[in-house]
Amino acid sequence: NAGVTQTPKFQVLKTGQSMTLQCAQDMNHNSMYWYRQDPGMGLRLIYYSASEGTTDKGEVPNGYNVSRLNKREFSLRLESAAPSQTSVYFCASRQDREPFYEQYFGPGTRLTVT
Amino acid sequence: DAKTTQPNSMESNEEEPVHLPCNHSTISGTDYIHWYRQLPSQGPEYVIHGLTSNVNNRMASLAIAEDRKSSTLILHRATLRDAAVYYCILRVRNAGNNRKLIWGLGTSLAVNP
Repeated sequence: NAGVTQTPKFQVLKTGQSMTLQCAQDMNHNSMYWYRQDPGMGLRLIYYSASEGTTDKGEVPNGYNVSRLNKREFSLRLESAAPSQTSVYFCASRQDREPFYEQYFGPGTRLTVT
Repeated sequence: DAKTTQPNSMESNEEEPVHLPCNHSTISGTDYIHWYRQLPSQGPEYVIHGLTSNVNNRMASLAIAEDRKSSTLILHRATLRDAAVYYCILRVRNAGNNRKLIWGLGTSLAVNP
């Protein structure tokens, strides 16, 4: 099992450009999450999806959109990138039966917006 | 929102025990305490969690104060591979009665050979 995979690993964008961060999991988990991690701050939840076809906002959703394409894939889109979105982005998934407390994280995407 | 407070950094020697403290004085009765760690250039990984009682697993032990306002993650014998940032996290119920993780800033643990 690959677990949670993310593409790309690194990306540089100019202000105003758009891009989609891809995430896939092969653990048959229902719940998936997108976080951002900034220096001096803990991880902050951007969006999550409790099941295929549903998405909900987290703490910092502004400037982002998400798509739960199917049970495996959950993508994060930046429509018009801003320097404030420079960050490391992590995707995670979680199973929904006992034990359901553990989130599995991907390796992250390091995004720089100039 | 409930939050956690941890020391910015700690240092340990290899093969010695490490006690990583966390304060969470605003914790509510239904909030779980979780610990994750993040090795350099990787995503976080689950370490342990608990509610009221002390917990042990293959990676670590979690000691929870009787009033639940603090907890300590214990690594029994630190190895060089344990050098990481350790996050103390509260899993709380949100307005929709779902659970969410409230991440602290983490403690960067250095392990000396």
